Amino acid sequence: SAVISQKPSRDICQRGTSLTIQCQVDSQVTMMFWYRQQPGQSLTLIATANQGSEATYESGFVIDKFPISRPNLTFSTLTVSNMSPEDSSIYLCSVEGTESSYNEQFFGPGTRLTVL
Amino acid sequence: GQNIDQPTEMTATEGAIVQINCTYQTSGFNGLFWYQQHAGEAPTFLSYNVLDGLEEKGRFSSFLSRSKGYSYLLLKELQMKDSASYLCAVRDSNYQLIWGAGTKLIIKP
Repeated sequence: SAVISQKPSRDICQRGTSLTIQCQVDSQVTMMFWYRQQPGQSLTLIATANQGSEATYESGFVIDKFPISRPNLTFSTLTVSNMSPEDSSIYLCSVEGTESSYNEQFFGPGTRLTVL
Repeated sequence: GQNIDQPTEMTATEGAIVQINCTYQTSGFNGLFWYQQHAGEAPTFLSYNVLDGLEEKGRFSSFLSRSKGYSYLLLKELQMKDSASYLCAVRDSNYQLIWGAGTKLIIKP
C-alpha cells in the first residue's frame, strides 16, 4: 500500500485568490490523480498527473483553472486558481497500488477548501 | 452515458446484516470496487470483483453479476464503527474509474 500526505489539510480562502495543494507519496508511482468531492456527492476526477508530461484533464476542467505540477515520481501539486465559492470542496490526491493485480486506488487524507 | 446507482442512505441495527446494492451502466467493464469512507476521511479500499460471484473477506462480502450490471456489498455482524459511506466504482473499457455517489450507512444500537 501507499502512504499519501496532503498539505494543507484545510483552508479558508477569499474569492479571487489561489491555493496550491501538495501531495506527497512514500513510494514512486507512475500516475497520480486529483479528485474533487463535494458534500454528499461522488468523487469527480479532475485530472491525471503524469511525470514528465502535461496533466490530462477531464471534461469540465481546464489547465488555467487547475494547473498541476508533477516534478518527480513521488510529488504533485494542484492549484485552484481565481477561486469562487463554487470551488469549496474536498480535494483528494490518489495513486494506484502496484502490489495487487487490480490496482486499487489509495487516497490522501484530503484538503478541505472553503471559499468565502 | 455512464451511470452508477446506489441508495443514498440506509439504516441498520448493531449486530445485524445489511446489503448495499449498486447497479451500473458503463462503456465496458474492467472490474468493480467497493470503498469505505468515514466522515471527514479519505476512501479506503474494501473489495474488488471482476468475475461473477461472491468474494468474502471477513465480515464483508461483495457480489457481482456482470450480465445484470449489479453488485452488492454485504456487511455482517454490524458494529458501530461500520457507520460510514460506501462507494461503488466501476472501471470502464478506457480504464477510467466511474464512481457512484455513495451510500451513507447509519448503524443504530
